[in-house]
Amino acid sequence: EDKVVQSPLSLVVHEGDTVTLNCSYEVTNFRSLLWYKQEKKAPTFLFMLTSSGIEKKSGRLSSILDKKELFSILNITATQTGDSAVYLCAVELDSNYQLIWGAGTKLIIKP
Amino acid sequence: ETGVTQTPRHLVMGMTNKKSLKCEQHLGHNAMYWYKQSAKKPLELMFVYNFKEQTENNSVPSRFSPECPNSSHLFLHLHTLQPEDSALYLCASSQDGLGLASLNTGELFFGEGSRLTVL
Repeated sequence: EDKVVQSPLSLVVHEGDTVTLNCSYEVTNFRSLLWYKQEKKAPTFLFMLTSSGIEKKSGRLSSILDKKELFSILNITATQTGDSAVYLCAVELDSNYQLIWGAGTKLIIKP
Repeated sequence: ETGVTQTPRHLVMGMTNKKSLKCEQHLGHNAMYWYKQSAKKPLELMFVYNFKEQTENNSVPSRFSPECPNSSHLFLHLHTLQPEDSALYLCASSQDGLGLASLNTGELFFGEGSRLTVL
């Protein structure tokens, strides 16, 4: 069965800290891995990763994929209270383009 | 504002009621999706419409009935629901249903969701 597991389930840190969120997967046919941020209701897109070892970066956020060890990490440096959200990871399957979602990591940034 | 609008934002219904959720996208996309999000669980794909044709139905109970009259509108008709159906129902759209990686953007555009409570 295809599955995506995110860890930790929740994380509380102080403003200014650096955090690393993990997403591991076991799927039959991998196409891409995606990260989304869900602050209140609507998840918003962060990154799409298809190749191992190539870092994607956007401001203080960065992400990298390891297709050999079947995981991705999302790094956030110099965290701010506005980074508080649920971070969702999903893997796109090559066979039918469906997305398999993880349960998310709830990140809380304390001032 | 993401370009995907869902109504109502909140809905409380009894198990014998009939109601509908509505989704409208203003992005010119051809694929639309219904997802169910329950607390601490992964997003569950319910239905996919690509160019108005239903391409996925992930073993969803018949008490959920989708309708896609055109590429911009998607409905989810609800009838005789159960309390365990209480959840956030998210609508999403993408350029087409032929794979996000091929679009090189990986982007699904989500609506704000409809919070459903079944009593």
